Amino acid sequence: DAKTTQPNSMESNEEEPVHLPCNHSTISGTDYIHWYRQLPSQGPEYVIHGLTSNVNNRMASLAIAEDRKSSTLILHRATLRDAAVYYCIRMSSGDKLTFGTGTRLAVRP
Amino acid sequence: DSGVTQTPKHLITATGQRVTLRCSPRSGDLSVYWYQQSLDQGLQFLIQYYNGEERAKGNILERFSAQQFPDLHSELNLSSLELGDSALYFCASSVDATGGYEKLFFGSGTQLSVL
Repeated sequence: DAKTTQPNSMESNEEEPVHLPCNHSTISGTDYIHWYRQLPSQGPEYVIHGLTSNVNNRMASLAIAEDRKSSTLILHRATLRDAAVYYCIRMSSGDKLTFGTGTRLAVRP
Repeated sequence: DSGVTQTPKHLITATGQRVTLRCSPRSGDLSVYWYQQSLDQGLQFLIQYYNGEERAKGNILERFSAQQFPDLHSELNLSSLELGDSALYFCASSVDATGGYEKLFFGSGTQLSVL
């Protein structure tokens, strides 16, 4: 039973915004949503996380739906360096970070 | 640079052999995690140590073991190696183990090839 559902792949043009969706319809009230990304030949890298409110940091923004059953990772201006696999992870108390298959983002120059 | 150091970067060995992978966590981080990434299984959590004590176990085989030393570095020992153990092994660290919400910092991995 997958905790989150993401599209297998997406494409974007360089310098355009990218919206990466994630469904987590069985989320409970205390579950956090974490996003990590993995660039080619590197380890996963933390991007952002949130609980209920939208969150912003220097890398991205996280928009969480009002019912918390879905969220969207927003990269405001994609660069070639943003080409990676993006993982949306639902974390409950006591959980360890469990990665699904993620969304492979390709960025076109 | 995440601050997590893994050595060696590459390891080639034969079936039946034993290898040790080493991880130095970020300065100040007490928790160390080991993950395995293979083409067919994706990223799998193996085991976590917190301040020298085993904290959580995931899909770790009995042939594999780990430990965390007083200086907080960790080693993952893989024995009786099989072809299917060929994978990327990542170490990650975090400040603590507050359960579910910690932010992990990953090293760049050790690529193990079993021939």
